[in-house]
This record gives sequence, C-alpha cells and structure tokens, in this order.
Amino acid sequence: DAKTTQPNSMESNEEEPVHLPCNHSTISGTDYIHWYRQLPSQGPEYVIHGLTSNVNNRMASLAIAEDRKSSTLILHRATLRDAAVYYCILRGVNQGGKLIFGQGTELSVKP
Amino acid sequence: ETGVTQTPRHLVMGMTNKKSLKCEQHLGHNAMYWYKQSAKKPLELMFVYNFKEQTENNSVPSRFSPECPNSSHLFLHLHTLQPEDSALYLCASSIPGITDTQYFGPGTRLTVL
Repeated sequence: DAKTTQPNSMESNEEEPVHLPCNHSTISGTDYIHWYRQLPSQGPEYVIHGLTSNVNNRMASLAIAEDRKSSTLILHRATLRDAAVYYCILRGVNQGGKLIFGQGTELSVKP
Repeated sequence: ETGVTQTPRHLVMGMTNKKSLKCEQHLGHNAMYWYKQSAKKPLELMFVYNFKEQTENNSVPSRFSPECPNSSHLFLHLHTLQPEDSALYLCASSIPGITDTQYFGPGTRLTVL
C-alpha cells in the first residue's frame, strides 16, 4: 500500500497561514489524496481531497506537486478551532477505497 | 453534528460483561464502518458493511461481533473483552466509492476493567 509521511507536530500562530506537508513518493496513478482532521474528543472530519489539480474549498486548499509525490494542505488563516490532528491519506482501488490512517500531524495554534 | 450518532458515549465494563455499541446515520448512506482508536495509535479499520453485507473484517478477534440490520444502523457487540481493548470506537458512514467522504460519529470511549 502506498504510504504517506507527515511531520508529527507543527505550531502556528492564530490568523496566520499554515502549510501542512505530506510526502507520498509511492503514490500510484489512481490514488486520490484525502485530508481529514480530528479535533480533540471528536471523530475525524473530512477536509479536502484531490487527484492531480489543486483544489479549494471553504475549509482549506490542497496543493499537489506536479509529480504527485507530495502535497500540502493550506489553512489560509488559522484559528484556535483549527487545532487538531491532520491526516493525509491515499485512497485508491488498491486499498479497496478504504481510508488507512497514519499518525498524522498534530497542529497547535497559539493565540 | 455530522449526521452520525453513537451511543453510549462512554462505557465501562468488566471482562465478563456483554455490552453493545450502537451507531445510527441519517444521511442515506449505504456503507458503514467500525474503527478502533487506541491511545497514541492511528485509527484502525475493524469492519466494513456495504448494503448491509460485511465486506471487510480486518482480522478482528471474535470477541467483537458486528451487526448491520439495515443501512442506517450498525452495532458492535462486545463480550469477554480484555483491558487492552480499551479505546475509542468510532463509527463512520459513506456512499461507497473511492472518492466518497466518510462521516464519523463522535465515538464511544470504552474502558475495560
């Protein structure tokens, strides 16, 4: 299975942009890149996903490298509520469409 | 609120008890999932149901017994658990597909004494 590598933790200041990196050098051509986050004492929630092109939604932006071996989740203006564990997950036919969670990046946001 | 509810939110049980966890979704989804999240470990997929049929059992011990009577409800029956089974048990639902979003419930925090 294709794996992802993320930093264990990152810090950000409130109201500043945050760039969360993810490496996935063994990604296959049919793997989608999904991001979920898990706020304290809650279940994970979907953030964004993409295949090749950059994606934007109301929560975040996803920048995908041209060779697809890495991607970056961008929170444009971090708030205290964005403090969570962020998971970068590859999802494709080889995994039967399953979400396979890694350790993720624990993001802390300072006021 | 994600549209996926789980009860109870907290459960303490002895190793000889039998209990059940319940999950309900009001999203019209046809796929439902059980995950286990132990302290400081990634979420582990336990079971997958598509259209009420179990399509995945991730080598889960038989002391965990899932049941999916319809597409809206999912149960996890527990019996003779071990202390190492203490964890957060999360339910999720989705429309089956490799780009579909999974919606998670808040989880049941289980403690086995």
